[in-house]
Amino acid sequence: QVQLQESGPGLVKPSETLSLTCTVSGGSISSYYWSWIRQPPGKGLEWIGYIYYTGSTNYNPSLKSRVTISVDASKNQFFLKLSSVTAADTAVYYCARPYCSATTCSPYNWFDLWGQGTLVTVSS
Amino acid sequence: DIVMTQSPDSLAVSLGERATINCKSSQSVLYSSDNKNYLTWYQQKPGQPPKLLIYWASTRESGVPDRFSGSGSGTDFTLTITSLQAEDVAVYYCQQYYGTPFTFGGGTKVEIK
Repeated sequence: QVQLQESGPGLVKPSETLSLTCTVSGGSISSYYWSWIRQPPGKGLEWIGYIYYTGSTNYNPSLKSRVTISVDASKNQFFLKLSSVTAADTAVYYCARPYCSATTCSPYNWFDLWGQGTLVTVSS
Repeated sequence: DIVMTQSPDSLAVSLGERATINCKSSQSVLYSSDNKNYLTWYQQKPGQPPKLLIYWASTRESGVPDRFSGSGSGTDFTLTITSLQAEDVAVYYCQQYYGTPFTFGGGTKVEIK
């Protein structure tokens, strides 16, 4: 079955750029929407944004000025870049995919597939 | 943004008893064109990603025990665990997928009394 795996540095310095990769295995990245969601330690969940396999994006306005989500369909991967990070960006970062029916895919669906998450700590 | 407010923040329930979690959205998540509530519930255990329980506010995901049920419409929703089991200890989140940014409730921690 389809699996998602986040990867990237676990420690990022303040003011630098956080970069993460989500690798999709067991299925194609094509025809789907893909999201990034984060969770600060001991806190709730925050949706960061999504990308369609064609490259179109939608970001959370609270992070929009600092976020870039991109995709490399040939590698079955999509990416998150978050610039000018501070300690407030310390979180477990998840990649996730919304439910897709047999006939249509929409970003306006529940997340039925999640990666295991990767903890990124922002500290000097 | 649609603000999702969950209550209570935590609750302790005896094994076999009922647990009720509430979720209120700042605007309706009922889409008039399809008459569906764009509201989902997740369960999250420590060190794990959220697990889907309920979608369309009341449709149970395949494999989820029938002691979990969702109800409500418009702006007020409820997740009920009818007979709490030890393995149900977790944090529960509601989320709206009616519009972006998609937003989550603050979570409700369920413990055994």
